[in-house]
Amino acid sequence: QKEVEQDPGPLSVPEGAIVSLNCTYSNSAFQYFMWYRQYSRKGPELLMYTYSSGNKEDGRFTAQVDKSSKYISLFIRDSQPSDSATYLCAMSARPRRAAGNKLTFGGGTRVLVKP
Amino acid sequence: DTAVSQTPKYLVTQMGNDKSIKCEQNLGHDTMYWYKQDSKKFLKIMFSYNNKELIINETVPNRFSPKSPDKAHLNLHINSLELGDSAVYFCASSSRGRTSLPNTGELFFGEGSRLTVL
Repeated sequence: QKEVEQDPGPLSVPEGAIVSLNCTYSNSAFQYFMWYRQYSRKGPELLMYTYSSGNKEDGRFTAQVDKSSKYISLFIRDSQPSDSATYLCAMSARPRRAAGNKLTFGGGTRVLVKP
Repeated sequence: DTAVSQTPKYLVTQMGNDKSIKCEQNLGHDTMYWYKQDSKKFLKIMFSYNNKELIINETVPNRFSPKSPDKAHLNLHINSLELGDSAVYFCASSSRGRTSLPNTGELFFGEGSRLTVL
């Protein structure tokens, strides 16, 4: 069993719908949680960064962390065709500035937003 | 003005050959990484250098040897290539210093080098 599990999808939604993505993890040492977006044939880019449990909102994106359930979510409101990409969750036991910080990634969920 | 650039983007080679991938970043970061992304999209860290010093060395075969000639460059040399080495290799960089920066520690990835071993 992998440390971080993520449904590979694809998740297909109509434009304007809410996209709901999630990851589960097994390592209770993880305290820092990230969501990356990866377009086809491109490198991942950071979308959201959160520490410990709680919610964080940035424009159309909301990240939620529930450490008691070892479950994190990303919601995309008013989805656009340009949101079509693979979304990867990532986690770390140490703050991103720490030496030797290793991110553990999920396998990514492919999202398709249809016009 | 590409931030993290890798060459080559595509590499097709035969089993047993030796190949290198180069990475350069112009962000002024002090830490660089190599990640491997397999066919199922899992990204796994291989190596990390901070100021030319190796700080992360995951369980990677000895056939993989990173080299960091300076803070802005991190190369990956692979000897005796095997079929299982086929993957996309991503270089990334981050800044550990100057904590006042809002994105300190954030990973910036290159576009990847797609290696196919036949």
